[in-house]
Amino acid sequence: KAGVTQTPRYLIKTRGQQVTLSCSPISGHRSVSWYQQTPGQGLQFLFEYFSETQRNKGNFPGRFSGRQFSNSRSEMNVSTLELGDSALYLCASSAQETQYFGPGTRLLVL
Amino acid sequence: GQQLNQSPQSMFIQEGEDVSMNCTSSSIFNTWLWYKQDPGEGPVLLIALYKAGELTSNGRLTAQFGITRKDSFLNISASIPSDVGIYFCAGLFGGGSQGNLIFGKGTKLSVKP
Repeated sequence: KAGVTQTPRYLIKTRGQQVTLSCSPISGHRSVSWYQQTPGQGLQFLFEYFSETQRNKGNFPGRFSGRQFSNSRSEMNVSTLELGDSALYLCASSAQETQYFGPGTRLLVL
Repeated sequence: GQQLNQSPQSMFIQEGEDVSMNCTSSSIFNTWLWYKQDPGEGPVLLIALYKAGELTSNGRLTAQFGITRKDSFLNISASIPSDVGIYFCAGLFGGGSQGNLIFGKGTKLSVKP
C-alpha cells in the first residue's frame, strides 16, 4: 500500500498571503489529522477529519481551516500568514487507533 | 489537560550501546505509540501498544505498555548510526477521535560510531 502523501513538500510564502496544503491518506483510511510541528512547541494537533466531517479541533486560530473530500483526501488552508506559521505541517491517516504520518510540508513565511 | 513527560530530552551514546527512553503521565492511556523522525521527514511508526503490560519487539526495538497505563518505555539494543533521530511517544486516551492523541516532546538520539 502506498503511504500518506503530502504536497507540496516545501513552500515559501510572505506574510499576509494564504496557503493550501494537500494530503492523500493511505487507501482505505477515512480519518485524516493535521499537525503543526515547530522546534519550540513540538507536535501540536490542528484538526481531524473523518468522512468529510471535522471530528475534532485543536487550539489554533480560525485562520487555520481544513476540509476533506469524498475520496478522503484532505486540504488544509492557512489565511493571512504570519511569521510564526513557519513550521513543518504533518498529515496523518488512520484506520483505527494507529496513525501513519506523511513526509510533511515545510512552510517558510517571510 | 493531559500531558506526556518524555525523557531524556537527548542522549549521546556510543555505537553498540543499549538505549532506554520513557514517557510518563498522570493520565491513563488506552494506546501507546512510538515514532522515529528523521530530519525533514514525518514521524515513522515503530511500535504500537494496545494493552496494559504488553511487551512488543520490532527488531532491536522493544517497547512496553506500563501496567498502570500511565507510562511506556522504549529500548533500543546494540545501537547503530542509523538509529540517530528523534523518538516520540504518543498516548491515546478516550476512544475514537485522533484528537485525543498526545505527543511527548521527543528524545533526540545521537550515536557516535
